[in-house]
Amino acid sequence: AQSVTQLDSHVSVSEGTPVLLRCNYSSSYSPSLFWYVQHPNKGLQLLLKYTSAATLVKGINGFEAEFKKSETSFHLTKPSAHMSDAAEYFCVVSPLGGMNTGFQKLVFGTGTRLLVSP
Amino acid sequence: ETGVTQTPRHLVMGMTNKKSLKCEQHLGHNAMYWYKQSAKKPLELMFVYNFKEQTENNSVPSRFSPECPNSSHLFLHLHTLQPEDSALYLCASSQDGGREGETQYFGPGTRLLVL
Repeated sequence: AQSVTQLDSHVSVSEGTPVLLRCNYSSSYSPSLFWYVQHPNKGLQLLLKYTSAATLVKGINGFEAEFKKSETSFHLTKPSAHMSDAAEYFCVVSPLGGMNTGFQKLVFGTGTRLLVSP
Repeated sequence: ETGVTQTPRHLVMGMTNKKSLKCEQHLGHNAMYWYKQSAKKPLELMFVYNFKEQTENNSVPSRFSPECPNSSHLFLHLHTLQPEDSALYLCASSQDGGREGETQYFGPGTRLLVL
């Protein structure tokens, strides 16, 4: 079975400092992994995804994530936080090469709220 | 915007009311999804439609009734809800539904409050 653990419910940074949002996954098969962002009163927007190609994935708004199979991690990083980055971030896993369920099932983490102070 | 719209954005209803949530996708996708987002809980998949056919009902109570008249529209009919059903209901769509690594595109959600 697949599962996702987001290690921090809240992360606080100052504007201009690096961002690290941690995610560990569990999957019986080689997974696809996603990061989504949700701003207040908005739906979820895809930041980036990993699907067994390059292990370092670049996304929108300067975010990137590195797939580390040995650590079963997919941490999200950004070199310099901006006030507009304040939002909730979700790490998501989906099985790749697993049993065909007829549709792609996403398993969501509980989210990490990123707070950015001036 | 993501190309997935939801109406209404906010809804307050009593436990005896009947209401419907609407989702429309303008992306030419073939699969559509309903999710429930409650505070401090992971997103819960409720229903999946693939080419207008329901392929998943994730043990959702019968007071929630989905309808998918075509690949672009998805409804969630609500009746005799409970206060614990208050949540953000998110609609999503994807190209084919069964492809590995496929991206789902989400709407802004309907914030539902059941009194």
